Amino acid sequence: KQEVTQIPAALSVPEGENLVLNCSFTDSAIYNLQWFRQDPGKGLTSLLLIQSSQREQTSGRLNASLDKSSGRSTLYIAASQPGDSATYLCAVRSSGTYKYIFGTGTRLKVLA
Amino acid sequence: NAGVTQTPKFRVLKTGQSMTLLCAQDMNHEYMYWYRQDPGMGLRLIHYSVGEGTTAKGEVPDGYNVSRLKKQNFLLGLESAAPSQTSVYFCASSNRVPEAFFGQGTRLTVV
Repeated sequence: KQEVTQIPAALSVPEGENLVLNCSFTDSAIYNLQWFRQDPGKGLTSLLLIQSSQREQTSGRLNASLDKSSGRSTLYIAASQPGDSATYLCAVRSSGTYKYIFGTGTRLKVLA
Repeated sequence: NAGVTQTPKFRVLKTGQSMTLLCAQDMNHEYMYWYRQDPGMGLRLIHYSVGEGTTAKGEVPDGYNVSRLKKQNFLLGLESAAPSQTSVYFCASSNRVPEAFFGQGTRLTVV
């Protein structure tokens, strides 16, 4: 059974800092991994999707990497801004399934 | 392009009442999902569908039923609401290009 863990649960950093959010999964046979952002009281916004054959994806100041063999993905945020404050969720879809399994998220606060 | 739309956005139910949540997507996606989100527990999959006329159980299906009579719609039903079903419900859809898109959520309170 796939399990997804995100550490830390909460993170507070000063504006301008580069930071890394972690996502671990127990079954390395994945189809893809997706990172989402969720603002308080809102839905989920897709940030980056990494397919199993890819090692990383980039969008603006965001870079997500995938290491299937170690069961890990990281989301790197460069030059953080107060507007980046949100909860970041990773979701894993295992090979042979249609289901996305979510981690519990990292709540990020970027201080001005 | 509306994406994934959930109806209603808020609802208060009394214990034992029934209701149906509607999810509609306009992206011609094959796969649709219902999740619930509770504090400290993340998103948990209730039911999902891999095509029109098909449904399957997720991690927490008890107390819920679903139907996918049309490809663009996925309905989540609560037959007899319980306080434990107080939650925020999210619908999602995806396709063979497997990026998942989410609705804005339905906040349900059962008193």
